Amino acid sequence: ETGVTQTPRHLVMGMTNKKSLKCEQHLGHNAMYWYKQSAKKPLELMFVYNFKEQTENNSVPSRFSPECPNSSHLFLHLHTLQPEDSALYLCASSQIAGGRNEQFFGPGTRLTVL
Amino acid sequence: SQQGEEDPQALSIQEGENATMNCSYKTSINNLQWYRQNSGRGLVHLILIRSNEREKHSGRLRVTLDTSKKSSSLLITASRAADTASYFCATDAAYGNNRLAFGKGNQVVVIP
Repeated sequence: ETGVTQTPRHLVMGMTNKKSLKCEQHLGHNAMYWYKQSAKKPLELMFVYNFKEQTENNSVPSRFSPECPNSSHLFLHLHTLQPEDSALYLCASSQIAGGRNEQFFGPGTRLTVL
Repeated sequence: SQQGEEDPQALSIQEGENATMNCSYKTSINNLQWYRQNSGRGLVHLILIRSNEREKHSGRLRVTLDTSKKSSSLLITASRAADTASYFCATDAAYGNNRLAFGKGNQVVVIP
């Protein structure tokens, strides 16, 4: 877990708040990901960045806005969220090469929307 | 889109026993990976098996892959209480978009 860090670990916010989740990877990887994990559901891929360029937006509502200023940092900006957005948000990174794509995950941010 | 599906969904065993879980998928893959997640934490990569491999070992873990049946199994031998976790399979599609499709997970409880 120390290779990928996420802050904050826990976040409680109201529906009118604006907050940001931060992810940092110390592994020199070239790709970063945001996932949403809700109870009893498979992990949902939200966004993918390769070499800082967004390559995938998996039909995520616009109230989630990603930002990747460099290959080591990834943010998820949140605004006007809904209670159903409460979940564990996981960041991951990987080095895409040679047909391998092992992903290294951060510990996650547990988000509660009131 | 393809998605791993683990079976059984929940497994409770005594310490020292073996735990086996299966995963099925729907389309061609480059590789299949298994991850572990302790409660409320991030996923930890356990093992990767390429589509041209049939079996792989890592410590007490043994993974098999049958591409004709589009299925994989994960065996944990001599289980320990610390193996209590959720286990996910993830497939890396052969069409090469470097996106992993995860299954719903398999809860394993090892009773000391």
